[in-house]
Amino acid sequence: QKEVEQNSGPLSVPEGAIASLNCTYSDRVSQSFFWYRQYSGKSPELIMSIYSNGDKEDGRFTAQLNKASQYVSLLIRDSQPSDSATYLCAVNTGRGGGADGLTFGKGTHLIIQP
Amino acid sequence: DGGITQSPKYLFRKEGQNVTLSCEQNLNHDAMYWYRQDPGQGLRLIYYSQIVNDFQKGDIAEGYSVSREKKESFPLTVTSAQKNPTAFYLCASSRTAGANVLTFGAGSRLTVL
Repeated sequence: QKEVEQNSGPLSVPEGAIASLNCTYSDRVSQSFFWYRQYSGKSPELIMSIYSNGDKEDGRFTAQLNKASQYVSLLIRDSQPSDSATYLCAVNTGRGGGADGLTFGKGTHLIIQP
Repeated sequence: DGGITQSPKYLFRKEGQNVTLSCEQNLNHDAMYWYRQDPGQGLRLIYYSQIVNDFQKGDIAEGYSVSREKKESFPLTVTSAQKNPTAFYLCASSRTAGANVLTFGAGSRLTVL
């Protein structure tokens, strides 16, 4: 059973601070990693993708991948109240090569305190 | 604007009834997917289709059926055989069958009374 694990939270972070979200996965052959943001009652939206070891930055967001340790993380700098949401980690375990191979974690609920 | 339209947004069903959730996309994407989300749970794949007139079972296909007669449309039927159908249903698409990036519709919330 291929698994993607996230701390469900809630993770509470003061406004302006760095929020750090973590995700571990069990399948060593995983190749593609994604972070989706989901507001309450809404659908997920892609915010970051990462495919190789290291850091990838996009505005206030940084994704970090360490395949040897099998974890991927998301850093949110200068956290804003609008960042309060559930963040889903998704890992492609390569089952079909496409999105049918994605396994989603249960999500981390992030709360940014004004 | 291109996107995915799901309807209805909210649906109530009596036990024993079949219901069909609509999913239409105008993104010209090849692949379409149906996911189920329960409170505090990750998304679980029900069915997916990589090409018109073809579809495959996902991890939790029992009690569900789909069709893909047109590229733009991928309706999901929740049958009476689905033991616990109350959930948030999400339709998604990807540009090609091999693409990993998903675009989601707004979702349909089904409640069984």
